[in-house]
Amino acid sequence: GNSVTQMEGPVTLSEEAFLTINCTYTATGYPSLFWYVQYPGEGLQLLLKATKADDKGSNKGFEATYRKETTSFHLEKGSVQVSDSAVYFCALSGSGNTGKLIFGQGTTLQVKP
Amino acid sequence: GAGVSQSPSNKVTEKGKDVELRCDPISGHTALYWYRQSLGQGLEFLIYFQGNSAPDKSGLPSDRFSAERTGGSVSTLTIQRTQQEDSAVYLCASSGGISGNTIYFGEGSWLTVV
Repeated sequence: GNSVTQMEGPVTLSEEAFLTINCTYTATGYPSLFWYVQYPGEGLQLLLKATKADDKGSNKGFEATYRKETTSFHLEKGSVQVSDSAVYFCALSGSGNTGKLIFGQGTTLQVKP
Repeated sequence: GAGVSQSPSNKVTEKGKDVELRCDPISGHTALYWYRQSLGQGLEFLIYFQGNSAPDKSGLPSDRFSAERTGGSVSTLTIQRTQQEDSAVYLCASSGGISGNTIYFGEGSWLTVV
C-alpha cells in the first residue's frame, strides 16, 4: 500500500542554518505530494504541494521538488528562523479518487537563536 | 465559514462514557475527513465523506467509532464506551469546491479519557 517515510527528529539547528528534511514515498499511480506544518499550539497548515513529477512547491522560503525517479519530496530551506520551529509532515494523496492523505510520522524542527 | 471549525476544543471524559465531536467544514467543501493524532502514532486516517456518504471508513479503529454527516455539511464523530487509548487529538479536514483538492484542517478536538 501507499506509505510515506520521513527522517526521524528532532532536528536542531542554529538560526540561518540550511535545512533539509528527507521524505520518501511508496505509491501506485501518480499521487500529489504535500508538506504540512504544525506550529506549537496550532492546527495543521498546508505549507506547499506538488502535483506531478518535477514540479517544485514553494512557500515562505521552503521548497520541495517532486522526484519520481527517487520517489522523494525532500523539504529544504536556505536559512531557517526561530519562528520555523514546528513539526513538519510529509504526505501524499492516496490512490483512487478519495483524495485522502497518508502522512509520514512528522519531524520536529527546533531552531535556536 | 472561513475555516474548518471543530468543537469542543478540549474534552475530558470518564472511561466508559460516550463522546461526540463536531466538525463544521469550509462552506462549499464536498469532501470531509476525520483523522486522529496520537502521541507516537502520527496522523491516522479514520473516515472520508463525499457529501453525506462515507465511501471510505477503513480507518475507524473499532465498532465503538462511528461518524455521520448531514446536509452535506456538519459532521459528528461519535466514540462509544470510551477507553483510555482513545485519548488523542481528533482532526477534521475538508476539501472541494473552488479550493480544488487541497485539504484544509481544523485545529482539532483534544480528547482525554480518564
